[in-house]
Amino acid sequence: AQRVTQPEKLLSVFKGAPVELKCNYSYSGSPELFWYVQYSRQRLQLLLRHISRESIKGFTADLNKGETSFHLKKPFAQEEDSAMYYCAVQGGSEKLVFGKGTKLTVNP
Amino acid sequence: DTEVTQTPKHLVMGMTNKKSLKCEQHMGHRAMYWYKQKAKKPPELMFVYSYEKLSINESVPSRFSPECPNSSLLNLHLHALQPEDSALYLCASSPTGTRNTEAFFGQGTRLTVV
Repeated sequence: AQRVTQPEKLLSVFKGAPVELKCNYSYSGSPELFWYVQYSRQRLQLLLRHISRESIKGFTADLNKGETSFHLKKPFAQEEDSAMYYCAVQGGSEKLVFGKGTKLTVNP
Repeated sequence: DTEVTQTPKHLVMGMTNKKSLKCEQHMGHRAMYWYKQKAKKPPELMFVYSYEKLSINESVPSRFSPECPNSSLLNLHLHALQPEDSALYLCASSPTGTRNTEAFFGQGTRLTVV
């Protein structure tokens, strides 16, 4: 069974500072990894997925199979980045399993 | 239309009531999901429908009964719920139900069982 660990429940940074949200996963096969974001009063939405290797809103995430990690990074945080961030893993089926989430607050 | 629409937005029901949650998408997606989200917790998968057939049931109690009448609609029938079933119920859909496809979420139905 797939599992996701997000060790930080809360993360607070100042505007312009780098930010890293940690995610570790466990799955015996080759998983698909995602980051979903939920802004205040908005629906849960996809931020990025590892297979795309793209940067969305300045965020990137690299899959490290050796460390089984998929940390989310942004070099310069903005106030509008404040949100709940969920790392998610998909194994051999449609089942998408979410981590417990990290609430990011970017202070002015 | 690139949205997943859920109705109602809020629902209060007694433990003896029967009610239904509805979810609709017109993106041509062939996989649809029900998730349950308690306060300050992540979404937990309940059911997955793939091509209108139930493909995953995460050992959900029978007081929750899903139905997929067609490829655009997903219902969750509720009967004899308990107060601990109070939560935000999220519907999602994805293009094919296979791996590495984006799941689109609805705004959710906030259910309170009294």
